[in-house]
Amino acid sequence: SYALTQAPSVSVAPGQTARITCGGINIGGKSVHWYQQRPGQAPVVVVYDDSDRPSGIPERFSGSNSGNTAALTISRVEAGDEADYYCQVWDSNNPRVVFGGGTKLTVL
Amino acid sequence: EEQLVESGGGLVHPGGSLRLACDPSGFIFSRYTMYWVRQAPGKGLEWVSSIIESGRTVSYADSVEGRFTISRDNAKNSLYLQMNTLGVEDTAIYYCVRAKSGDLDYYFDLWGRGTLVTVSS
Repeated sequence: SYALTQAPSVSVAPGQTARITCGGINIGGKSVHWYQQRPGQAPVVVVYDDSDRPSGIPERFSGSNSGNTAALTISRVEAGDEADYYCQVWDSNNPRVVFGGGTKLTVL
Repeated sequence: EEQLVESGGGLVHPGGSLRLACDPSGFIFSRYTMYWVRQAPGKGLEWVSSIIESGRTVSYADSVEGRFTISRDNAKNSLYLQMNTLGVEDTAIYYCVRAKSGDLDYYFDLWGRGTLVTVSS
């Protein structure tokens, strides 16, 4: 079955840029969706279809996807961005939802 | 306001059963494929089950196949998850989730707050 790989943690200082990656075989051929989960809360989609943002999500959140790596980039990081971030795709060979293991973003 | 509210969680002994429910509001429930996604304590997200708009097609993760049954009642605006033969590995927060169509597939645009299921003796 298809697998997604995320680094367990990323740390960044306020105002800097955070890049959270999601690895998978030929992930560039899939649509990647990203979810933010703040402590004690339900996940919220922050990027869908690789790089689209739902209404209400700041432009600081952007996504890219090519080859074997997708990425969520958060510019001008704020304390409120501290959360777990999950990537998600569909395994088309075995129609199932696949989540990455999640990356904990720490704002120093 | 669009909302999903789960109920039915609680403490159950290994081998027991629970039925979760999800009550949607603020949107036309019958137009959406719905999902259950769970999260074990301190762990990541895991897809559990899905059901299309009509209810005629359902899917399950291997970990729950044969034990869990997803269903919906569009007339009553409700989504359900019947969970049987529960094991400690089923302990998790269970989220009711709405799927929205994207370019190639679906993404999850609306999540409930979740209901906690604890399986313990």
